[in-house]
Amino acid sequence: NAGVMQNPRHLVRRRGQEARLRCSPMKGHSHVYWYRQLPEEGLKFMVYLQKENIIDESGMPKERFSAEFPKEGPSILRIQQVVRGDSAAYFCASSTTGSHYGYTFGSGTRLTVV
Amino acid sequence: AQTVTQSQPEMSVQEAETVTLSCTYDTSESDYYLFWYKQPPSRQMILVIRQEAYKQQNATENRFSVNFQKAAKSFSLKISDSQLGDAAMYFCAYRIRGGSNYKLTFGKGTLLTVNP
Repeated sequence: NAGVMQNPRHLVRRRGQEARLRCSPMKGHSHVYWYRQLPEEGLKFMVYLQKENIIDESGMPKERFSAEFPKEGPSILRIQQVVRGDSAAYFCASSTTGSHYGYTFGSGTRLTVV
Repeated sequence: AQTVTQSQPEMSVQEAETVTLSCTYDTSESDYYLFWYKQPPSRQMILVIRQEAYKQQNATENRFSVNFQKAAKSFSLKISDSQLGDAAMYFCAYRIRGGSNYKLTFGKGTLLTVNP
């Protein structure tokens, strides 16, 4: 029973390029969350999605960032025209409906913008 | 807005000894969950222990236990008989109970070193 799968594990992009981060939730999980961890910081909430719906995107920067969780396939966090300040570890987590146990995190994608 | 504060950026402990990591939080809610997560160098976020605010009894998981003081809004983690594998970043986190949003608010973390 695979956990939350994120890929790639490491991603290097030049300034101005696009970054696409993928997250496959645990089997049976229909809720996906994205968090960002800047150096020396805790995780900060970005967005909460259910299949084909964005439930809460209050933590997403207004520009250049978008997220989706289609009916089929993984959830995608997309960052357009990356800047150095986007360098961080991006974590995905998933849960079932009504989960009270925190949720299961993936191992993250470390994005480095050069 | 809810905030979580971990006042100890770094802590160290001798193997087999006991260490306590501090966490305070601020909220106007009365019903919520508190968590401790461990992040080893592999970067994986691992749930260590969870506490429901409505429960007075402190949660315990093997060598890990918490001291939950609701009035003081304090939630410390005690690790007994520390092992080398306990070395990691530890994050305290908060979530409102109920509702349809399970957003976690994290502290900045405490880096725990275990000395052999």
